Amino acid sequence: GQQVMQIPQYQHVQEGEDFTTYCNSSTTLSNIQWYKQRPGGHPVFLIQLVKSGEVKKQKRLTFQFGEAKKNSSLHITATQTTDVGTYFCAGRRGSGYALNFGKGTSLLVTP
Amino acid sequence: DSGVTQTPKHLITATGQRVTLRCSPRSGDLSVYWYQQSLDQGLQFLIQYYNGEERAKGNILERFSAQQFPDLHSELNLSSLELGDSALYFCASRGRGATPYSNQPQHFGDGTRLSIL
Repeated sequence: GQQVMQIPQYQHVQEGEDFTTYCNSSTTLSNIQWYKQRPGGHPVFLIQLVKSGEVKKQKRLTFQFGEAKKNSSLHITATQTTDVGTYFCAGRRGSGYALNFGKGTSLLVTP
Repeated sequence: DSGVTQTPKHLITATGQRVTLRCSPRSGDLSVYWYQQSLDQGLQFLIQYYNGEERAKGNILERFSAQQFPDLHSELNLSSLELGDSALYFCASRGRGATPYSNQPQHFGDGTRLSIL
């Protein structure tokens, strides 16, 4: 079945450093969604990417969808302690398929 | 507040027992998803219901079952519980779309933490 892989599993950065997490699928995706889960919380939707090569920005967060629609990335510029949490990508193969979540990247930011 | 309500928040029981987890989706949402989250497995999709009908199945064990009722709330039943079933169980609902699989984001409840002793 469809596999969505995320790397790295964990990342520890100093506040102010940049952070990137990568998401790769074994199959072409129709769309990809990103979620953030704070420690002790539930996943919260951040953004959805649909088009090949699409780039979207939310303040310090930049999301990209690969040209082949098989990979995606989330880049955070100048991390802050409020960025701490686990970032999940979730991809859908197409109509009729469920959303598949990656295992997430846990980000720790130390001041 | 996501608008998705899950009860109970915590559940402690013993091996071999049966429990029922409940989820009320956001008002108007027809789709309900169940996920299991454990430390080493991330967020595992279990099952999806759309307007009362099962639409997709993931890694759901035969000991687990779910249903969605006419008022759209859903229940996840876990039976013959094993130690490995200890996890956080999330319910999510998705906004109304053209199809059961449309691309609206999922909204998660706070989860039920199940501990098997």
